[in-house]
Amino acid sequence: AQKITQTQPGMFVQEKEAVTLDCTYDTSDPSYGLFWYKQPSSGEMIFLIYQGSYDQQNATEGRYSLNFQKARKSANLVISASQLGDSAMYFCAMRLISGGSNYKLTFGKGTLLTVNP
Amino acid sequence: DTGVSQDPRHKITKRGQNVTFRCDPISEHNRLYWYRQTLGQGPEFLTYFQNEAQLEKSRLLSDRFSAERPKGSFSTLEIQRTEQGDSAMYLCASSSLMAESSYGYTFGSGTRLTVV
Repeated sequence: AQKITQTQPGMFVQEKEAVTLDCTYDTSDPSYGLFWYKQPSSGEMIFLIYQGSYDQQNATEGRYSLNFQKARKSANLVISASQLGDSAMYFCAMRLISGGSNYKLTFGKGTLLTVNP
Repeated sequence: DTGVSQDPRHKITKRGQNVTFRCDPISEHNRLYWYRQTLGQGPEFLTYFQNEAQLEKSRLLSDRFSAERPKGSFSTLEIQRTEQGDSAMYLCASSSLMAESSYGYTFGSGTRLTVV
């Protein structure tokens, strides 16, 4: 079974600074994808970034980058130049790419990020 | 297409009543999912449809829960004889296998159920 661990219940960052949100995962399957989602207080889950287990380079998407360390099974999200609107819950999730359950996302418990002015 | 729509956004019901939620996915997406999210937790998988076929139901879904996706379009999630433990946010998501690595799964805004 897959497991996602987010060890930071809450994080604080000053506006315009960078912040790293931690995520470790556990799977014995070699083929998987890792996702990060943002959930503002309004409730919708907003897709931020994706990393495939066979991708050679770390994923980047605007101010978001994923620090993928496969041997350590970690997929940390880095947000550069934090903005007040980045205050939200952030979830790390994983999906197997092959096999019978290659559609199911497994989520961590999330990290609440607060950006201070 | 403006994304995944869920209705209603909020539902307050008395214990023992039946409730039904609706999800309208992105029209090009053949995969549809229901997740449940309780306070302080990440979403948990409930069920998955590929087109109109329900391919998996989580053991979290008791016999009181039923989901349908007639004709592979919108989906409904019904909870019969609601219990206080059913209080949660119910999230619907849709995806297309080819686009998942670029766009992820598209989630709706959820239906927040409160059972009193």
